[in-house]
Amino acid sequence: GAVVSQHPSWVICKSGTSVKIECRSLDFQATTMFWYRQFPKQSLMLMATSNEGSKATYEQGVEKDKFLINHASLTLSTLTVTSAHPEDSSFYICSARDRQETYEKLFFGSGTQLSVL
Amino acid sequence: GQNIDQPTEMTATEGAIVQINCTYQTSGFNGLFWYQQHAGEAPTFLSYNVLDGLEEKGRFSSFLSRSKGYSYLLLKELQMKDSASYLCALMGGYNKLIFGAGTRLAVHP
Repeated sequence: GAVVSQHPSWVICKSGTSVKIECRSLDFQATTMFWYRQFPKQSLMLMATSNEGSKATYEQGVEKDKFLINHASLTLSTLTVTSAHPEDSSFYICSARDRQETYEKLFFGSGTQLSVL
Repeated sequence: GQNIDQPTEMTATEGAIVQINCTYQTSGFNGLFWYQQHAGEAPTFLSYNVLDGLEEKGRFSSFLSRSKGYSYLLLKELQMKDSASYLCALMGGYNKLIFGAGTRLAVHP
């Protein structure tokens, strides 16, 4: 099956610094990628939809200036958490759609656990 | 908008059968998915329903009734490794996948 690689798996940073998370589709082209955030014992909350070559579409309540998304190629999308604060500590997961599938199935990266001190 | 409801927690015995229900309201419908998620890991795809009826895949089956806004995931011959969260997810308008809060299933010997 299709593989989505997400790096890093975990990151610890100081408050006020920026963190970049990469999401790559390894064996298929992903014109659309999605970024989710998950707090402990809660479900995945969609943050934004990342479209190759265009601006990302953010969900209501998600600060676009704080969570910068770049989807510069058909296989790579990045999420940058700018000026991170402890409340941004969460599990971030990307997913990508493989249009070769017979239905709209999403493939998920392995997730990034962000801890902001 | 969309709204997805599923029980928060369930418990079951090894070897038994468990049914996890999911009800939803949505303005657009492009399919209903079930995912399994272990703590700290990414979700794993289990099933997809876009038409009414039952889809069976090994020990897992999923049912959909679009007119009732209702789906269930059926797990047979439960194993200890089935202890996980089970996420009902709806693909609505704009083909965005929106997740329910998840059901934490605990399987006991």
